[in-house]
Amino acid sequence: EAQVTQNPRYLITVTGKKLTVTCSQNMNHEYMSWYRQDPGLGLRQIYYSMNVEVTDKGDVPEGYKVSRKEKRNFPLILESPSPNQTSLYFCASKTGTLNSPLHFGNGTRLTVT
Amino acid sequence: ILNVEQSPQSLHVQEGDSTNFTCSFPSSNFYALHWYRWETAKSPEALFVMTLNGDEKKKGRISATLNTKEGYSYLYIKGSQPEDSATYLCAFLSSYNTDKLIFGTGTRLQVFP
Repeated sequence: EAQVTQNPRYLITVTGKKLTVTCSQNMNHEYMSWYRQDPGLGLRQIYYSMNVEVTDKGDVPEGYKVSRKEKRNFPLILESPSPNQTSLYFCASKTGTLNSPLHFGNGTRLTVT
Repeated sequence: ILNVEQSPQSLHVQEGDSTNFTCSFPSSNFYALHWYRWETAKSPEALFVMTLNGDEKKKGRISATLNTKEGYSYLYIKGSQPEDSATYLCAFLSSYNTDKLIFGTGTRLQVFP
């Protein structure tokens, strides 16, 4: 089944404790992206990657890191999480064609206390 | 700053009612307009990707129109059913920056039996 898999689905952590949210897709998509969803705001892009070893900042990259060492994986790393990073996170992927739609993972709800 | 606005923010309709909502986006540098359906506790799923002015797309009881000259798209649901209850997101892709989809905040639809 074609899918984008994110883990974990739920995570509660404390300020400053490094964490990684994994994202993997099995559709051989070139493009992958991370978004965060906060109440009253649209999905905001954190980082994106056009292909292996190519990553770029989105609108809200501060406090996050990503890597794209393999085509299928695009982990999101929070080196020192803070409470303002409490949010719902989505990973998404699509083909390199400009008009192709995004395929989203199931989301990760992160709480930083 | 590119702005994508959706209205209304939320909508409550009775089963069987037809409904529609609006996505407004910049009328310049248009490349594509996406519609996604996001059910609670699930991930957003693509409905349509629209690229041509005057385009109309249909999927079952859901259809969408596009006016790129005035910068708006309408999503219509004919004969709403409880399973249509979801948040409907639109996202704008500018020809100025085709790496980034800009999302609206969504219209939350609840259909009562």
